[in-house]
This record gives sequence, structure tokens and C-alpha cells, in this order.
Amino acid sequence: GQNIDQPTEMTATEGAIVQINCTYQTSGFNGLFWYQQHAGEAPTFLSYNVLDGLEEKGRFSSFLSRSKGYSYLLLKELQMKDSASYLCAVTLTDKLIFGTGTRLQVFP
Amino acid sequence: DGGITQSPKYLFRKEGQNVTLSCEQNLNHDAMYWYRQDPGQGLRLIYYSQIVNDFQKGDIAEGYSVSREKKESFPLTVTSAQKNPTAFYLCASSISGPSTDTQYFGPGTRLTVL
Repeated sequence: GQNIDQPTEMTATEGAIVQINCTYQTSGFNGLFWYQQHAGEAPTFLSYNVLDGLEEKGRFSSFLSRSKGYSYLLLKELQMKDSASYLCAVTLTDKLIFGTGTRLQVFP
Repeated sequence: DGGITQSPKYLFRKEGQNVTLSCEQNLNHDAMYWYRQDPGQGLRLIYYSQIVNDFQKGDIAEGYSVSREKKESFPLTVTSAQKNPTAFYLCASSISGPSTDTQYFGPGTRLTVL
């Protein structure tokens, strides 16, 4: 079967750094997406990793290790508006499989 | 502005009634998708379509039906056969297939069956 694991909830303080982990066990793998979803809204694209290593995009970075079936999303200089759910999703040949999402709460 | 629209944002229906959710995109994307999101669960794929007049069942297609008569439109019908239809429904599109292309999501429709 396909399995993607993320922590259910995390909390952090404004201005801090937080790392959201995602591990996966899937039959096949093309790449890994991270999406951000505010409550009641559509998921929005953050990053896509295909090769091993770190991809940096402003305050957000995403890391992938294909051999370990592991990825993380790193958020720096946290802002209140970063309070949202973060969805890890793995692309297979014919579909995108989502994890249950990590709800991040940022406190002042 | 290009994007994906879903209507309505909130929908209430009585048990036993069929209901159709609208999804339109003007991104010129070939592929479109329907997902269902429930609390504590990841997005689950209901149906997807890679070209006009063709679509495939996803993981939870029972009780749902779709059509793809135009490239821009991919409506989803929730039938009375769907046992637990109350959920947040998300439509998405991508340039071509799901294997590598980024999927872009519409704002969603929250369906409540009374």
C-alpha cells in the first residue's frame, strides 16, 4: 500500500524556525510536493522536489532524500500568517497521494 | 486572470438528493481532478480526467459521477448512493498528467447533507 506520515500538529513562536517532516513508503516515486492550506481554503503550491537535496525559496526550503523516503519543509522567520496546514504529497505514475497534513500554529 | 473557479462555496442538500458541483478553469490545462477532504484525513482522489471525453476513477469513486464535455469544465455529481457525502470538495487542474505536473486547486465547495 501507500503510506505518507506527517505529524498532526506543531506549534512555534513568531520569528522562529520550524521543520515539518514527512516520511513516505510508496510503490513508485516521481517527486514530492509541499502545499500550504489555510483553514477552509484551497491548498497552494509551495515546492516540488525530484532530486535529493535542499531547494530554497525565500523563507521556505524543502529537502528530499529518496533513499530514506524522507522530506522536510523548513520555515524560517515565522510569521503569524504562516499558521496553516502543510500537506506533503507524493507523485506516482498515475496519481498524487496526500499525507494527512500538519497543522502549524504560530504564536506571538 | 487565469484560475480555477468552483461554485457554490457552500451547498446544503437533503439526504437522497443528487447534487452537482461546478468546476471551471481557464488555464488551458488538459488534466482536471476532484478530491474530497475530511477532517483528519488527507485529500482523496475521486475522479480525474486527462483529456476531453475521458476520465478515470480515483480511490473513492463510488457514489460519484463526472463528465468532461469541454476542456474548461469538469462537473462532479454527488449521487444519493454516496453514503457519507458531507465533506469539503476540491477541484484541481494541471498542464497534463498527474505524474509530474503541479496541480492547482480551486477554492472548494463545502457540501452539507442534512
